[in-house]
Amino acid sequence: GDSVTQMEGPVTLSEEAFLTINCTYTATGYPSLFWYVQYPGEGLQLLLKATKADDKGSNKGFEATYRKETTSFHLEKGSVQVSDSAVYFCALSDPYSGAGSYQLTFGKGTKLSVIP
Amino acid sequence: DSGVTQTPKHLITATGQRVTLRCSPRSGDLSVYWYQQSLDQGLQFLIQYYNGEERAKGNILERFSAQQFPDLHSELNLSSLELGDSALYFCASSRGGADEKLFFGSGTQLSVL
Repeated sequence: GDSVTQMEGPVTLSEEAFLTINCTYTATGYPSLFWYVQYPGEGLQLLLKATKADDKGSNKGFEATYRKETTSFHLEKGSVQVSDSAVYFCALSDPYSGAGSYQLTFGKGTKLSVIP
Repeated sequence: DSGVTQTPKHLITATGQRVTLRCSPRSGDLSVYWYQQSLDQGLQFLIQYYNGEERAKGNILERFSAQQFPDLHSELNLSSLELGDSALYFCASSRGGADEKLFFGSGTQLSVL
């Protein structure tokens, strides 16, 4: 079945440091890929997405590129802020999982703490 | 604010009991998804409804059931509760069809004692 593997956390960075969170996936079809973010006490919010190979999703300074050859979708940000402290989830949606169904398969999440 | 409302925010109950979690999707969204988030299993897809009908089923136990009503709100029923059912239960909604963007509620924290 489909699966998503992302780097274990927690990750602690100083403000303005470079961030990379690795994510690789296994899917039977040709999935769409997502990064969701969960701030303390809140639900998940879509951060960015990519739907085909070599697509780059970007939002709020975060970027991730869909790499089909390495089945990866690593999240990067050039300069993190304290406000980026949250849990980040990589996810995939396989359109072949069922007609009209786009349930997401999530990684286990990576907790990021940014210190001033 | 995602526009998805879940009630209650917290629920404390005992083993063997039955509870109902409620979700109101964003206005106009036809699809509702239920997810369970626990420390050991992470985020697990439970079930999806689209316009009142079950569309997909994931790792949902037989003790759990859900439905979506004509006004599109959804309820997740958990019965014969066990300690291991303690988790954060999220509801998400989307427009349905080919729209893959899910909007998540802030969850119901269930504690089974």
